[in-house]
Amino acid sequence: NAGVTQTPKFQVLKTGQSMTLQCAQDMNHNSMYWYRQDPGMGLRLIYYSASEGTTDKGEVPNGYNVSRLNKREFSLRLESAAPSQTSVYFCASRGPSVTADTQYFGPGTRLTVL
Amino acid sequence: AQSVTQLGSHVSVSEGALVLLRCNYSSSVPPYLFWYVQYPNQGLQLLLKYTSAATLVKGINGFEAEFKKSETSFHLTKPSAHMSDAAEYFCAVSDPSTGNQFYFGTGTSLTVIP
Repeated sequence: NAGVTQTPKFQVLKTGQSMTLQCAQDMNHNSMYWYRQDPGMGLRLIYYSASEGTTDKGEVPNGYNVSRLNKREFSLRLESAAPSQTSVYFCASRGPSVTADTQYFGPGTRLTVL
Repeated sequence: AQSVTQLGSHVSVSEGALVLLRCNYSSSVPPYLFWYVQYPNQGLQLLLKYTSAATLVKGINGFEAEFKKSETSFHLTKPSAHMSDAAEYFCAVSDPSTGNQFYFGTGTSLTVIP
Protein backbone atom coordinates (compact mmCIF):
# COMPACT_ATOMS: atom_id res chain seq x y z
CA ASN A 1 0.00 0.00 0.00
CA ALA A 2 1.27 3.44 -0.92
CA GLY A 3 -1.12 5.10 1.57
CA VAL A 4 -1.69 8.75 0.70
CA THR A 5 0.30 10.18 -2.18
CA GLN A 6 0.60 13.82 -3.22
CA THR A 7 1.96 15.47 -6.32
CA PRO A 8 3.95 17.56 -6.84
CA LYS A 9 6.33 17.61 -3.88
CA PHE A 10 7.53 21.14 -4.62
CA GLN A 11 6.14 23.98 -6.70
CA VAL A 12 7.00 27.60 -7.32
CA LEU A 13 4.33 29.84 -8.84
CA LYS A 14 4.12 33.47 -9.79
CA THR A 15 1.28 35.59 -8.44
CA GLY A 16 -1.84 35.02 -10.52
CA GLN A 17 -0.87 31.62 -11.87
CA SER A 18 -3.09 28.62 -11.29
CA MET A 19 -2.30 25.06 -10.35
CA THR A 20 -3.87 21.88 -9.05
CA LEU A 21 -2.48 19.78 -6.24
CA GLN A 22 -3.25 16.12 -6.59
CA CYS A 23 -3.95 13.63 -3.83
CA ALA A 24 -4.77 9.94 -3.98
CA GLN A 25 -5.29 7.23 -1.38
CA ASP A 26 -5.41 3.48 -1.78
CA MET A 27 -6.95 2.58 1.59
CA ASN A 28 -10.60 2.70 0.45
CA HIS A 29 -11.28 5.56 2.86
CA ASN A 30 -14.45 7.58 2.59
CA SER A 31 -13.19 10.89 3.99
CA MET A 32 -10.42 13.05 2.58
CA TYR A 33 -9.01 16.38 3.70
CA TRP A 34 -6.80 19.25 2.60
CA TYR A 35 -4.81 21.22 5.19
CA ARG A 36 -2.26 23.97 5.03
CA GLN A 37 0.57 24.23 7.52
CA ASP A 38 2.16 27.56 8.35
CA PRO A 39 4.82 28.26 11.00
CA GLY A 40 3.30 28.79 14.42
CA MET A 41 -0.23 28.07 13.22
CA GLY A 42 -0.41 24.32 13.15
CA LEU A 43 -2.62 22.68 10.54
CA ARG A 44 -5.67 24.49 9.28
CA LEU A 45 -8.40 22.73 7.36
CA ILE A 46 -9.09 24.11 3.89
CA TYR A 47 -11.72 21.68 2.59
CA TYR A 48 -12.84 18.17 3.31
CA SER A 49 -14.90 15.50 1.64
CA ALA A 50 -16.85 13.16 3.89
CA SER A 51 -17.67 10.85 1.01
CA GLU A 52 -17.46 10.62 -2.75
CA GLY A 53 -19.54 13.37 -4.31
CA THR A 54 -19.55 15.70 -1.30
CA THR A 55 -17.24 18.52 -0.26
CA ASP A 56 -17.39 21.03 2.59
CA LYS A 57 -15.49 24.13 3.54
CA GLY A 58 -13.11 24.10 6.44
CA GLU A 59 -11.53 26.93 8.37
CA VAL A 60 -9.66 28.65 5.50
CA PRO A 61 -11.36 27.91 2.15
CA ASN A 62 -10.98 31.31 0.45
CA GLY A 63 -8.89 31.19 -2.71
CA TYR A 64 -9.21 27.43 -3.12
CA ASN A 65 -11.48 24.95 -4.86
CA VAL A 66 -11.62 21.18 -4.56
CA SER A 67 -12.83 18.24 -6.56
CA ARG A 68 -13.54 14.76 -5.25
CA LEU A 69 -12.94 13.02 -8.53
CA ASN A 70 -13.73 9.55 -7.22
CA LYS A 71 -13.28 7.69 -3.97
CA ARG A 72 -9.50 7.63 -4.37
CA GLU A 73 -8.72 11.14 -5.53
CA PHE A 74 -9.23 14.59 -4.02
CA SER A 75 -7.64 17.58 -5.75
CA LEU A 76 -7.05 21.14 -4.56
CA ARG A 77 -6.98 23.99 -7.05
CA LEU A 78 -5.59 27.49 -6.71
CA GLU A 79 -7.21 29.57 -9.44
CA SER A 80 -5.11 32.71 -8.97
CA ALA A 81 -2.22 32.15 -6.61
CA ALA A 82 -1.28 34.82 -4.07
CA PRO A 83 1.85 35.12 -1.89
CA SER A 84 -0.37 34.46 1.16
CA GLN A 85 -0.89 30.96 -0.19
CA THR A 86 2.78 30.11 0.25
CA SER A 87 2.57 27.14 2.57
CA VAL A 88 2.97 23.41 2.96
CA TYR A 89 -0.17 21.57 1.89
CA PHE A 90 -1.12 18.19 3.31
CA CYS A 91 -3.74 15.80 2.13
CA ALA A 92 -5.18 13.25 4.54
CA SER A 93 -7.71 10.45 4.44
CA ARG A 94 -9.75 8.84 7.20
CA GLY A 95 -11.71 5.65 7.48
CA PRO A 96 -13.23 3.19 7.36
CA SER A 97 -15.92 3.91 9.96
CA VAL A 98 -17.34 7.31 10.83
CA THR A 99 -15.95 7.78 14.29
CA ALA A 100 -12.57 7.61 15.91
CA ASP A 101 -10.54 6.42 13.00
CA THR A 102 -7.15 7.80 12.28
CA GLN A 103 -6.26 10.37 9.69
CA TYR A 104 -3.44 9.26 7.42
CA PHE A 105 -1.33 12.01 5.93
CA GLY A 106 0.54 12.38 2.68
CA PRO A 107 4.12 13.72 2.54
CA GLY A 108 3.04 17.25 1.65
CA THR A 109 3.46 19.74 -1.17
CA ARG A 110 5.69 22.73 -0.54
CA LEU A 111 4.31 25.68 -2.48
CA THR A 112 5.97 29.05 -2.90
CA VAL A 113 4.13 31.92 -4.56
CA LEU A 114 6.35 34.78 -5.68
CA ALA B 1 -16.88 23.87 18.77
CA GLN B 2 -13.59 22.28 19.63
CA SER B 3 -10.16 23.75 20.06
CA VAL B 4 -6.75 22.65 21.26
CA THR B 5 -4.06 24.57 23.11
CA GLN B 6 -0.50 23.34 23.25
CA LEU B 7 1.53 25.10 25.92
CA GLY B 8 5.11 25.69 24.86
CA SER B 9 5.96 25.97 21.20
CA HIS B 10 9.50 24.75 21.93
CA VAL B 11 10.59 22.20 24.52
CA SER B 12 14.17 21.07 25.14
CA VAL B 13 15.13 18.03 27.18
CA SER B 14 18.34 16.15 27.77
CA GLU B 15 18.73 12.68 26.36
CA GLY B 16 17.37 10.23 28.94
CA ALA B 17 15.18 12.83 30.66
CA LEU B 18 11.41 12.84 30.94
CA VAL B 19 9.48 14.26 28.01
CA LEU B 20 6.27 16.15 28.86
CA LEU B 21 4.31 17.91 26.14
CA ARG B 22 1.14 19.66 27.21
CA CYS B 23 -2.23 19.70 25.50
CA ASN B 24 -5.49 21.17 26.75
CA TYR B 25 -8.71 20.95 24.84
CA SER B 26 -12.02 22.69 24.73
CA SER B 27 -15.06 20.70 23.69
CA SER B 28 -18.76 20.78 24.38
CA VAL B 29 -18.94 16.99 24.14
CA PRO B 30 -16.57 14.23 25.25
CA PRO B 31 -13.97 14.36 22.52
CA TYR B 32 -11.66 12.02 20.73
CA LEU B 33 -8.04 13.11 21.18
CA PHE B 34 -4.93 12.43 19.15
CA TRP B 35 -1.19 13.05 19.24
CA TYR B 36 0.70 13.17 15.95
CA VAL B 37 4.44 13.46 15.29
CA GLN B 38 6.02 15.18 12.32
CA TYR B 39 9.65 14.61 11.39
CA PRO B 40 11.38 17.19 9.18
CA ASN B 41 10.02 17.36 5.65
CA GLN B 42 7.50 14.60 6.28
CA GLY B 43 3.78 14.25 6.84
CA LEU B 44 2.13 13.62 10.19
CA GLN B 45 2.16 10.20 11.79
CA LEU B 46 -0.21 9.05 14.52
CA LEU B 47 1.44 8.46 17.90
CA LEU B 48 -1.67 7.54 19.89
CA LYS B 49 -5.36 8.27 20.26
CA TYR B 50 -8.01 8.39 22.98
CA THR B 51 -11.47 7.20 22.03
CA SER B 52 -13.32 6.96 25.38
CA ALA B 53 -11.90 3.64 26.48
CA ALA B 54 -8.93 3.54 28.88
CA THR B 55 -7.85 7.00 30.03
CA LEU B 56 -4.16 6.06 29.86
CA VAL B 57 -3.25 5.48 26.27
CA LYS B 58 -0.01 3.91 25.10
CA GLY B 59 1.38 4.71 21.69
CA ILE B 60 4.34 4.00 19.51
CA ASN B 61 7.98 4.69 20.39
CA GLY B 62 7.35 4.53 24.15
CA PHE B 63 4.99 7.51 24.31
CA GLU B 64 1.82 7.59 26.36
CA ALA B 65 -0.87 10.12 27.23
CA GLU B 66 -3.49 10.39 29.92
CA PHE B 67 -6.96 11.80 29.38
CA LYS B 68 -8.00 13.90 32.38
CA LYS B 69 -11.54 15.14 31.99
CA SER B 70 -11.45 17.31 35.12
CA GLU B 71 -8.43 19.17 33.78
CA THR B 72 -9.47 19.00 30.09
CA SER B 73 -5.96 17.78 29.37
CA PHE B 74 -4.26 15.13 27.28
CA HIS B 75 -0.55 15.55 28.00
CA LEU B 76 2.02 13.43 26.18
CA THR B 77 4.86 11.80 28.11
CA LYS B 78 7.84 9.56 27.58
CA PRO B 79 10.01 8.45 30.51
CA SER B 80 13.35 8.71 28.73
CA ALA B 81 14.02 10.91 25.72
CA HIS B 82 16.00 9.59 22.78
CA MET B 83 17.74 11.64 20.13
CA SER B 84 15.35 10.24 17.54
CA ASP B 85 12.40 11.83 19.39
CA ALA B 86 13.39 15.27 18.11
CA ALA B 87 10.41 16.35 15.99
CA GLU B 88 7.26 18.48 15.94
CA TYR B 89 4.33 17.16 17.94
CA PHE B 90 0.69 18.05 17.35
CA CYS B 91 -2.33 17.46 19.54
CA ALA B 92 -5.72 17.19 17.80
CA VAL B 93 -9.36 16.83 18.80
CA SER B 94 -12.46 15.67 16.99
CA ASP B 95 -16.14 15.44 17.82
CA PRO B 96 -17.09 11.76 17.94
CA SER B 97 -20.69 12.49 16.96
CA THR B 98 -19.59 13.72 13.54
CA GLY B 99 -15.94 12.76 13.25
CA ASN B 100 -15.58 14.79 10.12
CA GLN B 101 -13.42 17.64 11.31
CA PHE B 102 -10.21 17.51 13.29
CA TYR B 103 -8.82 20.55 15.09
CA PHE B 104 -5.08 20.76 15.56
CA GLY B 105 -2.96 22.63 18.06
CA THR B 106 -0.16 24.88 16.90
CA GLY B 107 2.48 22.26 17.63
CA THR B 108 5.42 21.80 19.99
CA SER B 109 8.93 21.42 18.65
CA LEU B 110 10.93 18.98 20.77
CA THR B 111 14.72 19.27 20.91
CA VAL B 112 16.75 16.52 22.55
CA ILE B 113 20.13 17.60 23.87
CA PRO B 114 22.86 14.95 23.90
